[in-house]
Amino acid sequence: KNEVEQSPQNLTAQEGEFITINCSYSVGISALHWLQQHPGGGIVSLFMLSSGKKKHGRLIATINIPEKHSSLHITASHPRDSAVYICAVPIHYGGSQGNLIFGKGTKLSVKP
Amino acid sequence: GAGVSQSPSNKVTEKGKDVELRCDPISGHTALYWYRQSLGQGLEFLIYFQGNSAPDKSGLPSDRFSAERTGGSVSTLTIQRTQQEDSAVYLCASSWRGDTQYFGPGTRLTVL
Repeated sequence: KNEVEQSPQNLTAQEGEFITINCSYSVGISALHWLQQHPGGGIVSLFMLSSGKKKHGRLIATINIPEKHSSLHITASHPRDSAVYICAVPIHYGGSQGNLIFGKGTKLSVKP
Repeated sequence: GAGVSQSPSNKVTEKGKDVELRCDPISGHTALYWYRQSLGQGLEFLIYFQGNSAPDKSGLPSDRFSAERTGGSVSTLTIQRTQQEDSAVYLCASSWRGDTQYFGPGTRLTVL
């Protein structure tokens, strides 16, 4: 069974700073998800990636399959980026993308 | 187009009663997922439907929980004989096959 660790648990940054959130997992996977949970509770899927790097606006996600590690970067952070960022992977090696296990999340607060 | 919708948005019930939670996925999405998030806890997988395949029910916490998906579209999550520990936000998501998941706003269930 896969296990997911995220770090840091909490992160406070000043507007404009470059932010990195890390995720490591224990069992080989086919793809990894990054999610964003807004203060109001709504969840948005940011990335689903299986190799290399993906970029969307100021967000960049990278994954290192052999090292079982992924990072989420936010460039030029803004107060509206304040949210909980969650990493998720299939619970079993070779498992479906439906049965996911989630990290505990990183709570990001960006101060103006 | 319309996103994933869930109803009701809030449900308060008494211990021992049965509840039904509804999810309307995005039209055309073949996969549907149910998760829950207890207060202060991370996301937890419950059940996953993919097309006409048998659902992955491995996340259901007890036999009081069941779910069905009719006509490959709408899904209902039923909790029988509710207990206080069932109080949580129940989230539904849908996707095209195993691709990016789109989350609904959730149903907040409170069991008194």
